[in-house]
Amino acid sequence: NAGVMQNPRHLVRRRGQEARLRCSPMKGHSHVYWYRQLPEEGLKFMVYLQKENIIDESGMPKERFSAEFPKEGPSILRIQQVVRGDSAAYFCASSPPLGQGNTEAFFGQGTRLTVV
Amino acid sequence: GQQVMQIPQYQHVQEGEDFTTYCNSSTTLSNIQWYKQRPGGHPVFLIQLVKSGEVKKQKRLTFQFGEAKKNSSLHITATQTTDVGTYFCALRAYGGATNKLIFGTGTLLAVQP
Repeated sequence: NAGVMQNPRHLVRRRGQEARLRCSPMKGHSHVYWYRQLPEEGLKFMVYLQKENIIDESGMPKERFSAEFPKEGPSILRIQQVVRGDSAAYFCASSPPLGQGNTEAFFGQGTRLTVV
Repeated sequence: GQQVMQIPQYQHVQEGEDFTTYCNSSTTLSNIQWYKQRPGGHPVFLIQLVKSGEVKKQKRLTFQFGEAKKNSSLHITATQTTDVGTYFCALRAYGGATNKLIFGTGTLLAVQP
């Protein structure tokens, strides 16, 4: 059972370009979360999605950022017109449908975005 | 919204010394989780605590949930160089349809051999 897969692992973009980050959750997981981690800082929640639905986007910047989790295929975090301040590690996590018991999140290895 | 603060931000110990990180909330928590992130790596789940006063052990790691469910601690006995990394507490924030994980600020542990 493959873990959470993120690609690319490293992404370099020039200011003004678009960045697309992909995340395939673990098999059987229907909940996907995106987090941003600036250097030497903690993990900031961005968005929580289920298939074809955005459940909670309270952590998403109002402009330039969008996320989707289509019926087929990976979840995508899209950053338009990137700026230097977008440089960070972006982590995706997935969870199984929540019920009783453990609610741990399984993280991917992250995408390190560098804006030059 | 709910927040959790962790102290200390950074701890440098000699190998073999003990280490403790604390997680504090101003509101009552329904649960607390702990994660470890190695340098350059991704967060990895360690444990979840749910009950008031709960204590769980994993080899040299001891996790505790406060009686009032407003604080938690992680204690490592006799640290080893493999313990290096950042330790985060996190809580599941339930409200409406969401169940997002909110992470604490983290404690970076450095272990000198």
